Amino acid sequence: NAGVTQTPKFQVLKTGQSMTLQCAQDMNHNSMYWYRQDPGMGLRLIYYSASEGTTDKGEVPNGYNVSRLNKREFSLRLESAAPSQTSVYFCASIPYRGAEQFFGPGTRLTVL
Amino acid sequence: GNSVTQMEGPVTLSEEAFLTINCTYTATGYPSLFWYVQYPGEGLQLLLKATKADDKGSNKGFEATYRKETTSFHLEKGSVQVSDSAVYFCALSLPNDYKLSFGAGTTVTVRA
Repeated sequence: NAGVTQTPKFQVLKTGQSMTLQCAQDMNHNSMYWYRQDPGMGLRLIYYSASEGTTDKGEVPNGYNVSRLNKREFSLRLESAAPSQTSVYFCASIPYRGAEQFFGPGTRLTVL
Repeated sequence: GNSVTQMEGPVTLSEEAFLTINCTYTATGYPSLFWYVQYPGEGLQLLLKATKADDKGSNKGFEATYRKETTSFHLEKGSVQVSDSAVYFCALSLPNDYKLSFGAGTTVTVRA
């Protein structure tokens, strides 16, 4: 079991470029999440998908879009990157409501 | 709403010292409580959890007891090692909620 995997591990973008962060889990979990982590800000939820076919906004969704491609995969897209989106992005999943979350290793994104 | 408040850091200790990180919560209903640990450059991983009042979670020498009367879930370890240097997050979830509420995180550094 690989758990939750994320690609890429590192990325540098220029302002205005677009990119998609990929996340996959092999634990047959129903719900998946995208967070960003910034110094002194803790973890902030961007979007989540309670189940395949549904997505909902978290507390900081502006500038991002998501796709729940299938039960395994949940991608995060930056259409026009901005320096304020420089952050570490984590994907997570849970098997059912109220359970603990399983996290991926993170993607470190720098926008110049 | 639901929220988690944890002790602000950073905390610096010597090896073999006693560690305690305070965590208190506000929640409607009966939450499950978690401690996550994040080692440098890695994602979050579950350290321990408790799902009902008076439960004690334990792992790797760390312990925390779910105290409903004081709405607390303080993390303790009797003798820390350099390898315990990490960021620690307290979190809660409710049975019918897809989302976790995280504390801001406490950075712990253990010196040899």
